[in-house]
Amino acid sequence: QQQVKQSPQSLIVQKGGIPIINCAYENTAFDYFPWYQQFPGKGPALLIAIRPDVSEKKEGRFTISFNKSAKQFSLHIMDSQPGDSATYFCAARKGGYNKLIFGAGTRLAVHP
Amino acid sequence: DVKVTQSSRYLVKRTGEKVFLECVQDMDHENMFWYRQDPGLGLRLIYFSYDVKMKEKGDIPEGYSVSREKKERFSLILESASTNQTSMYLCASSPPAQETQYFGPGTRLLVL
Repeated sequence: QQQVKQSPQSLIVQKGGIPIINCAYENTAFDYFPWYQQFPGKGPALLIAIRPDVSEKKEGRFTISFNKSAKQFSLHIMDSQPGDSATYFCAARKGGYNKLIFGAGTRLAVHP
Repeated sequence: DVKVTQSSRYLVKRTGEKVFLECVQDMDHENMFWYRQDPGLGLRLIYFSYDVKMKEKGDIPEGYSVSREKKERFSLILESASTNQTSMYLCASSPPAQETQYFGPGTRLLVL
């Protein structure tokens, strides 16, 4: 049973395009929503994160949009570059000790 | 820079073997985590530890055990490896006051 549903599974865009990755959750007790980026052969690394009391957070070309009432959040990558080609995971924190529940991942390819 | 290292990048074992995966972090983090990563399933939490000798089950603990005798080291043990444990195993750590999890590069385990 997946508590954080992520879509699409894969995404191909041209350089300069704006890929959007969506996540949905059910548990209203989640209190922190990070996005992790993973390059081949590497472990995931934190990209950007948001709390449910904020509707949008922007860091450089990466933006999280958060819709608390719909229990959905999404990652937008502005002016995407080939170097953004990676797998992206959304996650949600459940309870103490910083435990995370991850989505299934989206493999993004940005073509030059 | 936080560094999380895992003892092996690739491992091939036989069904029924006892397998040890080691993880070491150099930042004195209290929390450590073991995940397995499978295509289409994302990262799933196997076990985590919030202090030396303290551990809790994650979402998929069956077939695994863990050991944390020193703060910097967290071991994942497959008591009797099975083919369905073929996967990528990722270790992560985080300090209690910070939300970021820092991941190691992963160990790709093949059980024949």
